[in-house]
Amino acid sequence: SQQGEEDPQALSIQEGENATMNCSYKTSINNLQWYRQNSGRGLVHLILIRSNEREKHSGRLRVTLDTSKKSSSLLITASRAADTASYFCATDEAEHGAGNMLTFGGGTRLMVKP
Amino acid sequence: DTGVSQNPRHKITKRGQNVTFRCDPISEHNRLYWYRQTLGQGPEFLTYFQNEAQLEKSRLLSDRFSAERPKGSFSTLEIQRTEQGDSAMYLCASSWTSGDSYEQYFGPGTRLTVT
Repeated sequence: SQQGEEDPQALSIQEGENATMNCSYKTSINNLQWYRQNSGRGLVHLILIRSNEREKHSGRLRVTLDTSKKSSSLLITASRAADTASYFCATDEAEHGAGNMLTFGGGTRLMVKP
Repeated sequence: DTGVSQNPRHKITKRGQNVTFRCDPISEHNRLYWYRQTLGQGPEFLTYFQNEAQLEKSRLLSDRFSAERPKGSFSTLEIQRTEQGDSAMYLCASSWTSGDSYEQYFGPGTRLTVT
């Protein structure tokens, strides 16, 4: 079963624009992580935000977390064609203990046009 | 390269055959995870190990699926009597759980096609 739901399912933007992806989840979490997957390849960890954090930055990435709404957003600023990929949020659910398993959403497929 | 490796990268098998996949984690990582990913979906957790102990296996899809990590290093995932519905990408990940570090590092996956 998948806990997270990403929105939108697909996003197409021009290079240089910002891309925002949203994730909603259902249960209490230890942390929430975002991963990127290029076509047909494994996942690459992007950023982790803990349940007691509200915002985190890493380079061109900005993640927010609202535990009261059970939602998170990933913002990619000044997008590049190389950012074209699928982006997944994954929750580390409190029920299962930290670091024991991740529950992924269905992903947002981002296309950045040059 | 010291990342997670998986073999084979692709496997085509006929329905009813058994298949086994191997995962070699990052050497210092104590946890190893298996996920399955079908087309257009996010990965789905199957099982995980801490060292050689399999701590969660209730998410394995059926009793045809089993996993081992005999010496706490590499792991194998076996699917017996494969069915067409088993066609998917099987992903392995590893992590070092120390303090509050919970990032998982994924391998490239093994793509299984059951004909």
